Amino acid sequence: DQQVKQNSPSLSVQEGRISILNCDYTNSMFDYFLWYKKYPAEGPTFLISISSIKDKNEDGRFTVFLNKSAKHLSLHIVPSQPGDSAVYFCAASFQGAQKLVFGQGTRLTINP
Amino acid sequence: DAGVIQSPRHEVTEMGQEVTLRCKPISGHDYLFWYRQTMMRGLELLIYFNNNVPIDDSGMPEDRFSAKMPNASFSTLKIQPSEPRDSAVYFCASSPVNSNQPQHFGDGTRLSIL
Repeated sequence: DQQVKQNSPSLSVQEGRISILNCDYTNSMFDYFLWYKKYPAEGPTFLISISSIKDKNEDGRFTVFLNKSAKHLSLHIVPSQPGDSAVYFCAASFQGAQKLVFGQGTRLTINP
Repeated sequence: DAGVIQSPRHEVTEMGQEVTLRCKPISGHDYLFWYRQTMMRGLELLIYFNNNVPIDDSGMPEDRFSAKMPNASFSTLKIQPSEPRDSAVYFCASSPVNSNQPQHFGDGTRLSIL
C-alpha cells in the first residue's frame, strides 16, 4: 500500500527552465510534507517543507505547492541548474509524529 | 558540525553471517531512525527511537533484524543470519525533539549479501 506516490521515475529539463516534480498521497490524515534531495552515494538532504495550513512555501529557487483537495503536492525549481540533477523524494507525516512515509523518488536530470 | 555518521560505508559478506551496522546521531538529537532503501520498496522506515527507547519497530522485516540504542550517541542495526534479499542501502537519520524539524540522514551503508 503505497501511501505516497511519485509517478514519474525520471524527468529531464533544460538548464534555466522550470523543473516540476509531482507527488500524490492517499492518506488524508497527512498534514506535513517534505522534499528531500539525494545525490549518488550520499544520504537524502532536506530541501523544503510545507504544513497543511499553507498551500505554498518558497525558499529561493524552490517552491512547494500543496493542493489538499487533490491530495497532491509539487516542487518547482526555477531556474534549474546542473547541480539540481539528483533524485528527489517527497515525504509525508502527521503533525506531532516523527514517522515519515517516502515516495519512490524522481530522478531529475538538468541538461546544459 | 558533524552530521550523522554511519559505518561501515560498504559491507560485503556471505549469506548466513552476522552483519552489524553502526550509527552515531547528531549530538542533541532525541530521535534516531533506521531506513532501508531498495529498488523494489524504495525508502522504508525500519525502526525509530526516542531518547534511546524503541518507539515503533513495525517496519522491521523479520526476527533476524534487531536494533539497539545503548546510549544517546550510538545505535546498531544487526542482521543475523543475513540473506541475499537483505542486500540494500541502510540509512540512519536523526532529528531534534521538535516534530517539524527535518530528519538529517547519514550517507548510508551499502550492504551486499552473497
